[in-house]
Amino acid sequence: EVQLVESGGGLVQPGGSLRLSCASSGLSVSSNYMTWIRQAPGQGLEWVSLLYIDGSTYYGDSVKGRFTVSRDNSENTLFLQMNNLRPEDTAIYYCAKVIPLGAFDIWGQGTTVTV
Amino acid sequence: DIQMTQSPSTLSASVGDRVTITCRASQSVLGWLAWYQQKPGKAPKLLMYKTSHLESGVPSRFSGSGYGTEFTLTIYNLQPDDSATYYCQHYNGYPWTFGQGTKVEIK
Repeated sequence: EVQLVESGGGLVQPGGSLRLSCASSGLSVSSNYMTWIRQAPGQGLEWVSLLYIDGSTYYGDSVKGRFTVSRDNSENTLFLQMNNLRPEDTAIYYCAKVIPLGAFDIWGQGTTVTV
Repeated sequence: DIQMTQSPSTLSASVGDRVTITCRASQSVLGWLAWYQQKPGKAPKLLMYKTSHLESGVPSRFSGSGYGTEFTLTIYNLQPDDSATYYCQHYNGYPWTFGQGTKVEIK
């Protein structure tokens, strides 16, 4: 069974940092496009970042320069390093697998970040 | 950035009804549009990609259409399990953006 499990969320002070993890089973993070999406409390969805198979990265405007997406192929895990956190970064953060070109077909259950 | 606007924000319909949700883009996204269903406390679920391609396992009661700047998601024969919030999302260039969501309630 394919499964994505996020972890690393928590409470952090403004200006602080967190690193989120997305452990994958049944799915190779190095062989797929992987993404992070977030959802602020009671709000809609916001695309955060994308990691290409070739290592290229893309970010939403609100996190560019503060967040970094990466992966560990040996651990089959996707990461999101979040620096200089702001109260508006408070959200549930989901990792997801991307169908080539841009729809998200497999999602994790999410991890909550409170700033 | 391309802005996605959904209408209505909320709709209420009866079991068996046909409902239509509209998603408009501020500029053309060609056919690169997806639809998701989200139930409270759950991660979103992909319903449709590339405008009208039904994701595996999604009932054929769901149908997508459109091109360019205007898209629709139609649910035929509405069922109680369809009570959820629906989001459109474009993927024609970065940043990818979502609509604000349409909440579907069952009368």
